[in-house]
Amino acid sequence: SQELEQSPQSLIVQEGKNLTINCTSSKTLYGLYWYKQKYGEGLIFLMMLQKGGEEKSHEKITAKLDEKKQQSSLHITASQPSHAGIYLCGAATMYSGGGADGLTFGKGTHLIIQP
Amino acid sequence: SQTIHQWPATLVQPVGSPLSLECTVEGTSNPNLYWYRQAAGRGLQLLFYSVGIGQISSEVPQNLSASRPQDRQFILSSKKLLLSDSGFYLCAWSRGLAGAADTQYFGPGTRLTVL
Repeated sequence: SQELEQSPQSLIVQEGKNLTINCTSSKTLYGLYWYKQKYGEGLIFLMMLQKGGEEKSHEKITAKLDEKKQQSSLHITASQPSHAGIYLCGAATMYSGGGADGLTFGKGTHLIIQP
Repeated sequence: SQTIHQWPATLVQPVGSPLSLECTVEGTSNPNLYWYRQAAGRGLQLLFYSVGIGQISSEVPQNLSASRPQDRQFILSSKKLLLSDSGFYLCAWSRGLAGAADTQYFGPGTRLTVL
């Protein structure tokens, strides 16, 4: 089975600073999803990466998938209090068959933004 | 636009009592539906998924069951709750696209505490 390891487990960053969260897979990633979760709430979809070397950005958040498709990073520029929460990476299995296999998730990175 | 609802938002139940959690999706037809559980220190775990009415696949053997009586309704049940069933239950839906690019969208979750 596929395992995803996220690092760091928790991160405290001063407002305005940049930060990076990593997600490493034991197997080749065929689809890598980034979600954000506020405490006690559901997951909000951020971005999905599929191709080696792919990079996507939304506002101040950039996600990248390495060429070997085994590692992804999420980078936040000029962090704001609204960025606080839990960031989770999720991976699709090799054959998703219409997405019905579900996703395997990392344990998440808890991000705290200090004013 | 599509929305996903979960009911109830929070639930406190004694050990041995039955359970019924409901998830409904609006604004789409024939979605894939998923139940996940998020427990402290264990990350997000896929419990069940469904590609259509009456079609349920289980990922983890346990005392929980799922049913899909209608196209956009997904129910998680138990006849007798265990302490270990405590956690945050999340329902998700996807369009059922082939391949890895089948984004899952999550509901607000149900916090279950078994005492």
